[in-house]
Amino acid sequence: AQSVAQPEDQVNVAEGNPLTVKCTYSVSGNPYLFWYVQYPNRGLQFLLKYITGDNLVKGSYGFEAEFNKSQTSFHLKKPSALVSDSALYFCAVRDDPYGQNFVFGPGTRLSVLP
Amino acid sequence: DTEVTQTPKHLVMGMTNKKSLKCEQHMGHRAMYWYKQKAKKPPELMFVYSYEKLSINESVPSRFSPECPNSSLLNLHLHALQPEDSALYLCASSQAGPTSYEQYFGPGTRLTVT
Repeated sequence: AQSVAQPEDQVNVAEGNPLTVKCTYSVSGNPYLFWYVQYPNRGLQFLLKYITGDNLVKGSYGFEAEFNKSQTSFHLKKPSALVSDSALYFCAVRDDPYGQNFVFGPGTRLSVLP
Repeated sequence: DTEVTQTPKHLVMGMTNKKSLKCEQHMGHRAMYWYKQKAKKPPELMFVYSYEKLSINESVPSRFSPECPNSSLLNLHLHALQPEDSALYLCASSQAGPTSYEQYFGPGTRLTVT
């Protein structure tokens, strides 16, 4: 069975500093990895995904993520954080390209301080 | 257009009421999903429709009844709910078939059961 861990409940970073939100996964097959962001009282917005290919994936709003197979990690990064990046971030995985069951991590709350 | 719409935005209902949540997308997606999300928690998958057929039912109580009238619409019929059913209900859609497509989420319906 697939699972996702986000080891930090909360990440605080100063505006303008780089940010990292961590994600590790466990799957039986090839991982298909996703990052979503959720603003208060809103649905989830897709940021980026890793399916295959380059380990560094670029996504929306200046976010990128690095896939590391040996460490089974898919950390979300941004070179320079904005206050408006403050939100709840979810990592998700599916290990079956035919399946439709995403497994979401518990979420990490990012606070960017001015 | 990558928009999934949901109505109503907010719903308050008594435990004896019958109500329905509606979801619509015009992206040509053939997979549609219902999720339940409690505050500060990840979304929990409830139902998946693939090509208008129910493909996943995650042991959801029968007081929740999904319906997919056509490829663009998804309903969730509610009857005799309990206060613990109060949550944000999210609809999502994606491509269906043998690949790993991201899901697009609607803004959700905030349901309060009194």
